[in-house]
Amino acid sequence: KAGVTQTPRYLIKTRGQQVTLSCSPISGHRSVSWYQQTPGQGLQFLFEYFSETQRNKGNFPGRFSGRQFSNSRSEMNVSTLELGDSALYLCASRAGTGILTGELFFGEGSRLTVL
Amino acid sequence: EDQVTQSPEALRLQEGESSSLNCSYTVSGLRGLFWYRQDPGKGPEFLFTLYSAGEEKEKERLKATLTKKESFLHITAPKPEDSATYLCAAVVLAGANSKLTFGKGITLSVRP
Repeated sequence: KAGVTQTPRYLIKTRGQQVTLSCSPISGHRSVSWYQQTPGQGLQFLFEYFSETQRNKGNFPGRFSGRQFSNSRSEMNVSTLELGDSALYLCASRAGTGILTGELFFGEGSRLTVL
Repeated sequence: EDQVTQSPEALRLQEGESSSLNCSYTVSGLRGLFWYRQDPGKGPEFLFTLYSAGEEKEKERLKATLTKKESFLHITAPKPEDSATYLCAAVVLAGANSKLTFGKGITLSVRP
């Protein structure tokens, strides 16, 4: 059974640009959530999608957005990149509808560097 | 504001030297607590879910426990392959939904 797949694994952008990251969940998983991981702040929740609907959102500015497609694949977009957006972006999928209904399976992440 | 604090930030152990990792939380409406392991360059890997104070779960050399204020991950006779960053996360109510609040992790190094 294939795991959570994130693309691209590494990317370098400059300030002011935008970036789109992609996540393919485990087959059959309908919930996808996104996290930002930095050495200073640790893992921080961005948003969660279930059946193409955003169910929950963390405390990030509107420059961070996401969506989910009918096949459960998800994308997140960051516009007008800032140096502080450099981080590992992790996607996780879950089979159930609630956080406690099943474990989260994480992808290996997309490492974004903003110059 | 919900907070999850892990200590120490880093821990170095000799192979076979047992120890405990601490995860303290100050949250309203704890619904559960997760432990994850993260290897360098990888995403976190699920270890345990604890739902209520007094609950314990074990897996190989690891045992997780939960009280009303904190959780411990006990590592018995660790091996070098146990070296990783260990993350805990509290599940709290967020309006009509729940959300995960992670600690910053504890980096464990086990020397042979």
